Amino acid sequence: DIQLTQSPLSLSASVGDRVTITCRASQSISGYLNWYQQTPGKAPNLLIYAASNLQSGVPSRFSGSGSGTDFTLTISSLQPEDFATYYCQQSYSSPLVTFGPGTKVDIK
Amino acid sequence: EVQLLESGGGPEQPGGSLRLSCSASGFTFNNYDMTWVRQAPGKGLEWVSDISDSGGATYYADSVKGRFTISRDNFRNTLYLEVISLRAEDTAVYYCARKASHSSGYYSHPSVSPAYYFDYWGQGTLVTVSS
Repeated sequence: DIQLTQSPLSLSASVGDRVTITCRASQSISGYLNWYQQTPGKAPNLLIYAASNLQSGVPSRFSGSGSGTDFTLTISSLQPEDFATYYCQQSYSSPLVTFGPGTKVDIK
Repeated sequence: EVQLLESGGGPEQPGGSLRLSCSASGFTFNNYDMTWVRQAPGKGLEWVSDISDSGGATYYADSVKGRFTISRDNFRNTLYLEVISLRAEDTAVYYCARKASHSSGYYSHPSVSPAYYFDYWGQGTLVTVSS
């Protein structure tokens, strides 16, 4: 099974900060990596697919990069509505996919 | 507008069974593979099961294999998840999601698989297993 780790698992940041979250795969997954945002009590929301493709309707302050085993999600200027938990997910072994443990972003 | 609406959750006893439903609208249901993902209280996301657009192929996480059955009715635009032998560790919010694919650029090469992702999710239905 392909395991995903995320770092950090939590972070505190201020509005306007640049935030970077890392996702590492236990083996190479090429670019088969997606990112989701989840706020409390809500369903996950797709942000980035195939490592670097911005989902329609997602603000351009979100970006993704990486390939192989190391990936990053960057929020260029954190907004109040961005305080949430972020999950990476690999689809290299689709349909048997896995999610990372999540990174919680809260207010400093 | 794409909408997914789950139902069928609620309190259940260990060893019991239930059927979750996911009603889909706003897209051509039989053109998409569908999936179930669950989230235990305060925990992360766990992929549970996947079904092809025709219903001819199904896949399960090891943690649910043999106890969960995914199915779909393409005439009723509805996805199902039947669960037997419920355990306390099955307590979770169960989400259905639409599975989309990206097959342009690098992923358009004949020897490269499409990149799959879950682009629409339902609001979830809570299953609580407790005696």
